[in-house]
Amino acid sequence: GAVVSQHPSWVICKSGTSVKIECRSLDFQATTMFWYRQFPKQSLMLMATSNEGSKATYEQGVEKDKFLINHASLTLSTLTVTSAHPEDSSFYICSASPARLAGEETQYFGPGTRLLVL
Amino acid sequence: DQQVKQNSPSLSVQEGRISILNCDYTNSMFDYFLWYKKYPAEGPTFLISISSIKDKNEDGRFTVFLNKSAKHLSLHIVPSQPGDSAVYFCAAAANAGGTSYGKLTFGQGTILTVHP
Repeated sequence: GAVVSQHPSWVICKSGTSVKIECRSLDFQATTMFWYRQFPKQSLMLMATSNEGSKATYEQGVEKDKFLINHASLTLSTLTVTSAHPEDSSFYICSASPARLAGEETQYFGPGTRLLVL
Repeated sequence: DQQVKQNSPSLSVQEGRISILNCDYTNSMFDYFLWYKKYPAEGPTFLISISSIKDKNEDGRFTVFLNKSAKHLSLHIVPSQPGDSAVYFCAAAANAGGTSYGKLTFGQGTILTVHP
């Protein structure tokens, strides 16, 4: 099956620092990757859609200057949380979609990155 | 505005019995639906999906039913096993049949516990 990895799996940082999270599709190419965040006991909320070679599309309410997304290749997207603050502490999950087959829209998710900002 | 709703936060089932997880949606533009299983501190794992042109899709112990007129879908797990215990999310996509990929909108999740 399609495998998506994330690195790091967890990170603790001081307030004001920047944190970069990598998302890789290991055995398929993904022209589109998605970044989600999940607060405890809540659903996954889409933050942005990352398209290879172009600017990301951010959901309403998500600050694009704070959450920088780069999708430099068909297998790698990065999310950088700039000047992180305690309220940015969350579980960040990426997903990737392989080339679309007729009628299929499956997204495969990474294992997630737990961010704790002190 | 919660466009995808899972009204049951939890479900408890005996091993061997059927588990039925429900999901309702409000956006009539949704045309593709997916179910994911998630353990704490892990990413969701894809289980099964269904296009709006179908009303049923089956894969092993998992069957998804779609009732478009009611804007309702359900996931049936038969027989349920203790290893099925996890959080189950339904998700929906709009305009999935077009050339661009539809983003997923998730429900709140249902915690399934299967007792031995």
